[in-house]
Amino acid sequence: DGGITQSPKYLFRKEGQNVTLSCEQNLNHDAMYWYRQDPGQGLRLIYYSQIVNDFQKGDIAEGYSVSREKKESFPLTVTSAQKNPTAFYLCASSMDRASNQPQHFGDGTRLSIL
Amino acid sequence: AQSVTQLDSQVPVFEEAPVELRCNYSSSVSVYLFWYVQYPNQGLQLLLKYLSGSTLVKGINGFEAEFNKSQTSFHLRKPSVHISDTAEYFCAVNSAASGGYQKVTFGTGTKLQVIP
Repeated sequence: DGGITQSPKYLFRKEGQNVTLSCEQNLNHDAMYWYRQDPGQGLRLIYYSQIVNDFQKGDIAEGYSVSREKKESFPLTVTSAQKNPTAFYLCASSMDRASNQPQHFGDGTRLSIL
Repeated sequence: AQSVTQLDSQVPVFEEAPVELRCNYSSSVSVYLFWYVQYPNQGLQLLLKYLSGSTLVKGINGFEAEFNKSQTSFHLRKPSVHISDTAEYFCAVNSAASGGYQKVTFGTGTKLQVIP
């Protein structure tokens, strides 16, 4: 079955440490997204990518970085500059950039501070 | 700019009773509307979508929603809920902005608690 795989499911970060969250999709989708979910705040867009080797900042990109070297992969790095990284992180993809396309989600990574 | 409002953060309902989860949106252009469901510690799953055509949209798990342009609403309904419907539900809007990328705006979610 096609889908989105996020790993790890749980991740702990020490002070001053960068951590990378993995997102892989086998849906052959062009567009991929990273969201941050905090209780009572819904989903907020961190970064998105419409094609390989291209990505754009979303609403809350500070303290995060991404790469899109392959169509299937869109890893997110939470840097030490992100002072409040504790959250549930969701990766999503859509067939293309058209605004009528629904998004498909992975099962998320929960990041906590040690 | 577009926005989505889910007024109810929590909705308790007895098993086999009907339920309506409210969603209102604002946008200056044509919109596409979605409802997603999220079970604990999982990602979001698409329930249904309105793109065009009939204003009554049927989705999975017996849910349906009605697009009301004059009231800018897209409320989600189910005539008889089951324990397994306990989850958080998100309304989302995307607009047909020309030349723009796909940017979805999500509501803050409504937690549906089905009481046995």
